[in-house]
Amino acid sequence: GIQVEQSPPDLILQEGANSTLRCNFSDSVNNLQWFHQNPWGQLINLFYIPSGTKQNGRLSATTVATERYSLLYISSSQTTDSGVYFCAVEEYGGATNKLIFGTGTLLAVQP
Amino acid sequence: DTGVSQDPRHKITKRGQNVTFRCDPISEHNRLYWYRQTLGQGPEFLTYFQNEAQLEKSRLLSDRFSAERPKGSFSTLEIQRTEQGDSAMYLCASSPRRGYGYTFGSGTRLTVV
Repeated sequence: GIQVEQSPPDLILQEGANSTLRCNFSDSVNNLQWFHQNPWGQLINLFYIPSGTKQNGRLSATTVATERYSLLYISSSQTTDSGVYFCAVEEYGGATNKLIFGTGTLLAVQP
Repeated sequence: DTGVSQDPRHKITKRGQNVTFRCDPISEHNRLYWYRQTLGQGPEFLTYFQNEAQLEKSRLLSDRFSAERPKGSFSTLEIQRTEQGDSAMYLCASSPRRGYGYTFGSGTRLTVV
């Protein structure tokens, strides 16, 4: 099955710093989503981005499907950005829209 | 739109007991998913419903696990004869159709003692 790798596994930032999180996937995908899991366990959908670039406030994401990677940019980080960021993909040709999750990037933003 | 609701938020049970969790998806979403997440890992797919039809089940879903979605609305996930290895966060998500992102519930944290 498709493999999803995220880097870095852990990241510590000072408030106000910028960061880039990367997601590599091993095969063609129909669907790619980025999620933020807060310290209470709630998974929040950040982007649905199978290709191209999207922006939402301080966050933006770019997926280059032909090269099998996606990037999540966080600018001017805040302590509330802390948590785990997951990339999740649906294999190309999949019938059920099932997502395969990566192992995540644990982000800690310090004041 | 009240989001995806899951009940209970926490469940502690003794090994060998049966447990049932409930998920109420966003009302207009016909796709519903169950995932399981253990500490330090990403969520793993368990099963998928489109309306009331269960269209896919993971091999992770042993015969002790059963899921239903009567009338295509809420869904239940039952675990029979729980084992300590079943301890995890059980997450439910829904989406309106292909090409849309998932919305997850807050999850049910199961602890088997």
